[in-house]
Amino acid sequence: DGGITQSPKYLFRKEGQNVTLSCEQNLNHDAMYWYRQDPGQGLRLIYYSQIVNDFQKGDIAEGYSVSREKKESFPLTVTSAQKNPTAFYLCASSTQGFRTGELFFGEGSRLTVL
Amino acid sequence: GENVEQHPSTLSVQEGDSAVIKCTYSDSASNYFPWYKQELGKRPQLIIDIRSNVGEKKDQRIAVTLNKTAKHFSLHITETQPEDSAVYFCAEYNNNDMRFGAGTRLTVKP
Repeated sequence: DGGITQSPKYLFRKEGQNVTLSCEQNLNHDAMYWYRQDPGQGLRLIYYSQIVNDFQKGDIAEGYSVSREKKESFPLTVTSAQKNPTAFYLCASSTQGFRTGELFFGEGSRLTVL
Repeated sequence: GENVEQHPSTLSVQEGDSAVIKCTYSDSASNYFPWYKQELGKRPQLIIDIRSNVGEKKDQRIAVTLNKTAKHFSLHITETQPEDSAVYFCAEYNNNDMRFGAGTRLTVKP
């Protein structure tokens, strides 16, 4: 069953801690993305990667870091530098960057900072 | 880039009625306009999309219209059903940049 898997689904963090959200896809997609979703706002792009070992900042990259060592995996680290990290995080993938149109999303990870 | 404006933010209709959600964009070079549906607690999924060389596209009970002159596009859902209740997001694509609207929460009352 192909798709995108995010883990964990729920995560709690103390202030000052880094946390890493996992995103794995078996769709053989080249491009992967991380979005942040806050109530009343659209999806905002944090980082994206169109090929292994390459990634670019999105609109709200400050306080986040990513890696793309494998085609299937695009983990997101929320660092202590992110001032307001409590949010719902969505990972997505597509076949050739934004040009193909359709983004396939994971089920999301909800991060709460205590 | 500029955000996409989406209206209304909430919409409540009676089962069987139609629902219309409108989005406005600013860049005339935008050429691809998808709509995503996100049911409560689930992932967003593409339901319909339209490219700039087409004015209207239909898929059963849903349709999207595009007015390039006025720079707006709309989602139309006819004969609404309770399972249409969800948050709907519009988006526009331009030059490797995709922008999402803030979302519309549609509630279909049985």
